[in-house]
Amino acid sequence: KQEVTQIPAALSVPEGENLVLNCSFTDSAIYNLQWFRQDPGKGLTSLLLIQSSQREQTSGRLNASLDKSSGRSTLYIAASQPGDSATYLCAVKGDDKIIFGKGTRLHILP
Amino acid sequence: DTGVSQDPRHKITKRGQNVTFRCDPISEHNRLYWYRQTLGQGPEFLTYFQNEAQLEKSRLLSDRFSAERPKGSFSTLEIQRTEQGDSAMYLCASSAQGGNSPLHFGNGTRLTVT
Repeated sequence: KQEVTQIPAALSVPEGENLVLNCSFTDSAIYNLQWFRQDPGKGLTSLLLIQSSQREQTSGRLNASLDKSSGRSTLYIAASQPGDSATYLCAVKGDDKIIFGKGTRLHILP
Repeated sequence: DTGVSQDPRHKITKRGQNVTFRCDPISEHNRLYWYRQTLGQGPEFLTYFQNEAQLEKSRLLSDRFSAERPKGSFSTLEIQRTEQGDSAMYLCASSAQGGNSPLHFGNGTRLTVT
């Protein structure tokens, strides 16, 4: 049974700092891993999708890496801004089921 | 393409009542997923459709829950005899076919059972 863990559960950093969010999964037989952002009371917004054959994906200030063999992914946010404050979730797709972690609540201090 | 839409955005109901939620996926997406999310938790998988066929159901989906996608387009999720423990955000997502198609979410329906 696939389990997805995100560490830390919450993180506060001053504006302008670079930061890394972590995601680990127990079953390496995945098709892809997707990072999402969720603002309070809202649905999820897709940030990056990494296919199982890829090592990383970049979009603007975001960079996501995937090490399938060790069951780990990281989301790197460069030059953080207050608008980056949100909950960040990772989700892994194996067969047809997509399993989520509990998320990391990120607070960027102005 | 207006994205995934869910209706209603909020629903308050009394315990024991039935409620029905609707999800309209992105038009060309043949896969549709329902998730439930409670405060501080990640979304939990409930069920999944490919076109009109319901291919998988979580054990979280008790016999009070039923989901349909009759024409392979919109989907409904019904909860019968609601309980306070059903209070949560119900999220719908869709994707195109293919193992590497990204998942697109709606804004969810927040259910409060009093």
